[in-house]
Amino acid sequence: EIVMTQSPLSLPVTPGEPASISCRSSQGLLHSNGFHYLDWYLQKPGQSPKLLIYWGSNRASGVPDRFSGSGSGTDFTLKITRVEAEDVGVYYCMQTLQTPYTFGQGTKLEIK
Amino acid sequence: QMQLVQSGAEVRKPGSSVKVSCKASGGTFSNYAFSWVRQAPGQGLEWVGGVIPVFDSATYAQKFQGKVTITADESTNSVYMEVSSLRSEDTAVFYCAGATVAAPRGIDVWGQGTTVIVSS
Repeated sequence: EIVMTQSPLSLPVTPGEPASISCRSSQGLLHSNGFHYLDWYLQKPGQSPKLLIYWGSNRASGVPDRFSGSGSGTDFTLKITRVEAEDVGVYYCMQTLQTPYTFGQGTKLEIK
Repeated sequence: QMQLVQSGAEVRKPGSSVKVSCKASGGTFSNYAFSWVRQAPGQGLEWVGGVIPVFDSATYAQKFQGKVTITADESTNSVYMEVSSLRSEDTAVFYCAGATVAAPRGIDVWGQGTTVIVSS
């Protein structure tokens, strides 16, 4: 199975400052259709996960443009340009290139 | 817009089984693939397995093979997950989630989660 590794696991951020989370996969995530099957999810406290980014760099519907995804092959990054209080929670990367789908360990973003 | 509503919390004794349901509405059931995701207390997300109703086929993470059975019923637009031989370590929240079958753009619809507690 494809192993997903995130860093850091804890991310304290001052409001208004940027934040970045790295996700590395043990195998490349490029599908034959040209897209990388790497998604980012945010799970706020007490809530179900919510899709933020799909295909590595496409924002899901309704996701603020302060969130962006980038990367290729096995290395991917989620960036938040200016963190807001509502962004607290645990961020997960997930690969859906092949089953079993696998998640990263999660990165807990907290406000300083 | 597709929505998923899961059945309520369950408490079971060790050795028993539990079946959790997930009802889809607001979208075309046959256009979706459904997954079940487990979250043990204080832990991260773990993909359990999934089913594509139109193909009537389920796949499982190796860890859950033989432990979990996932089915879909197109007549009721529902997906089910049965967990057998429950142990205390199976206590978790289980999420039902869906993605379009054709060119899936992420898992973009999630149920509210069902808590399963295994305790004697």
